[in-house]
Amino acid sequence: SQQGEEDPQALSIQEGENATMNCSYKTSINNLQWYRQNSGRGLVHLILIRSNEREKHSGRLRVTLDTSKKSSSLLITASRAADTASYFCATDHDYKLSFGAGTTVTVRA
Amino acid sequence: GAGVSQSPSNKVTEKGKDVELRCDPISGHTALYWYRQSLGQGLEFLIYFQGNSAPDKSGLPSDRFSAERTGGSVSTLTIQRTQQEDSAVYLCASSLEASSYNEQFFGPGTRLTVL
Repeated sequence: SQQGEEDPQALSIQEGENATMNCSYKTSINNLQWYRQNSGRGLVHLILIRSNEREKHSGRLRVTLDTSKKSSSLLITASRAADTASYFCATDHDYKLSFGAGTTVTVRA
Repeated sequence: GAGVSQSPSNKVTEKGKDVELRCDPISGHTALYWYRQSLGQGLEFLIYFQGNSAPDKSGLPSDRFSAERTGGSVSTLTIQRTQQEDSAVYLCASSLEASSYNEQFFGPGTRLTVL
């Protein structure tokens, strides 16, 4: 069963713009991880944020975590065509990942 | 270094046949996980192994599904008497160990089609 829910389901932006997507979950977690998936195959790990962390950066990615609201956000700054993909949040509960349905991001050149 | 590898990349089988899917984790990773991704159910956890401990099988959908991990490295997921609803992409992941600090790294997946 899916614990996380991403919002929006789909996002279309112009190259250079920022993309923000949100993830909400239901139960307590050890950490929350964001993944990218191209063409319905392998998942690429983007960033892990632990339950005691509030914000994390990696290159053009910024992730926030609010455990009181059980929500997280992923911001991609200065988007590129290569960022076109599906993005998933995954919550770690007892080391098993529970994924949301994903946000499909399309970056227009 | 090599990432997680899976074989075959695609498998087409007939309903009722058994299939075996293989996963080679990243060298040195003690934790190995199986997930599947289907249109109807999204990404679902199936089973994970941590070292020599008994596996966590809580996500296996039925007793037709089983997995083993030999020598703490390679894992095989077996589906017996396949059904059409088993059609999905089966993804394997590994991590240094099962902990809240370690990322799970995924392989490219095996696309299973049951006719």
